[in-house]
Amino acid sequence: KNQVEQSPQSLIILEGKNCTLQCNYTVSPFSNLRWYKQDTGRGPVSLTIMTFSENTKSNGRYTATLDADTKQSSLHITASQLSDSASYICVVGHNDMRFGAGTRLTVKP
Amino acid sequence: NAGVMQNPRHLVRRRGQEARLRCSPMKGHSHVYWYRQLPEEGLKFMVYLQKENIIDESGMPKERFSAEFPKEGPSILRIQQVVRGDSAAYFCASSPTQGDTEAFFGQGTRLTVV
Repeated sequence: KNQVEQSPQSLIILEGKNCTLQCNYTVSPFSNLRWYKQDTGRGPVSLTIMTFSENTKSNGRYTATLDADTKQSSLHITASQLSDSASYICVVGHNDMRFGAGTRLTVKP
Repeated sequence: NAGVMQNPRHLVRRRGQEARLRCSPMKGHSHVYWYRQLPEEGLKFMVYLQKENIIDESGMPKERFSAEFPKEGPSILRIQQVVRGDSAAYFCASSPTQGDTEAFFGQGTRLTVV
């Protein structure tokens, strides 16, 4: 069973709309949680990284939240743009990194 | 400071040949991770190495796959006697310490087995 579960698997939204992606994990112990953006055919690029003591972290239009008690994280994207179309991957780290399968986001004009 | 460099970007091999994928970590990074991504799927961990040591190879297939990270030079992921099912994108990431810090990814090597 994958220790990092993401939902939804895919999502289509209109340009300018907001969206929220979910990540639930069972990895223990846990040091940090990261969200990566992966454009098609490219390597993942880090958006945010949070330690277990942080509740929220922003990077421009991207805001990640973390609830270490319920082991849930979300990535909120505000005022989406066409360039936001990508896969968003939740990664939970301690001695190594455990990847979620990702959410495939498509932003349509 | 160049990012994580992987080469080649694209590699085509016939069934039964060997594939060698190279990863040069960022300067100052001594930890390297290899991941495989099948089409339309997420990244799957393969192996975690430090200089001259394999720390965790729990994601590596038991046969035909091997990895090394020598004292000098890039990390190498080697696939012997490739089969069509090995066709995938292989990504390398590096970090300066264990998984509690930022890890940076290369652009990947796309292996196609024909």
